[in-house]
Amino acid sequence: EPEVTQTPSHQVTQMGQEVILRCVPISNHLYFYWYRQILGQKVEFLVSFYNNEISEKSEIFDDQFSVERPDGSNFTLKIRSTKLEDSAMYFCASRRRGSDNSPLHFGNGTRLTVT
Amino acid sequence: GDSVTQMEGPVTLSEEAFLTINCTYTATGYPSLFWYVQYPGEGLQLLLKATKADDKGSNKGFEATYRKETTSFHLEKGSVQVSDSAVYFCALSDMDSNYQLIWGAGTKLIIKP
Repeated sequence: EPEVTQTPSHQVTQMGQEVILRCVPISNHLYFYWYRQILGQKVEFLVSFYNNEISEKSEIFDDQFSVERPDGSNFTLKIRSTKLEDSAMYFCASRRRGSDNSPLHFGNGTRLTVT
Repeated sequence: GDSVTQMEGPVTLSEEAFLTINCTYTATGYPSLFWYVQYPGEGLQLLLKATKADDKGSNKGFEATYRKETTSFHLEKGSVQVSDSAVYFCALSDMDSNYQLIWGAGTKLIIKP
């Protein structure tokens, strides 16, 4: 069964550095998402992406964050200048259509540790 | 706004015990309801879902019934196994949230042999 893949599984970076988290969504999916989960807290929506542009973003997704689909397969999340509070598990997800009739498929996540 | 509340964990049970993990929600519209599971070291997997009142979602022996009158979607399993040990998340989505998932805090389930 096709799956969403994320790399790396664990990223350690110093405060102030830029990080890029990578995701390869399922190939025939059209809607892409990033969620994050700070340790011990709820999963939070960051951003959704469709037709090569952001369709929705949360308050968390400030100017330090950006997303890109640089080619036909990758979907990346960039954090320009990481802060300690960015330490979290970041999940990429994709779905074929933008409604509940099309389930979200998640990757295994990237654990980001900012020191 | 929409929200999901689920029972705090960890929940520790012996193998073959009956499981209930409570989940209640608040929503202005008519949400779809989901249970996701996260096994150790893995990502989030859809376990089951229900899209309208009185629907029952089921998968791998787990069940949950969409109860509009009590705004609940409790997860149940008649006889748990060690391999069911994981974190379980209740979530909802609806038009008001643009079909983004609104998540509960997660409940860690530990099954002892």
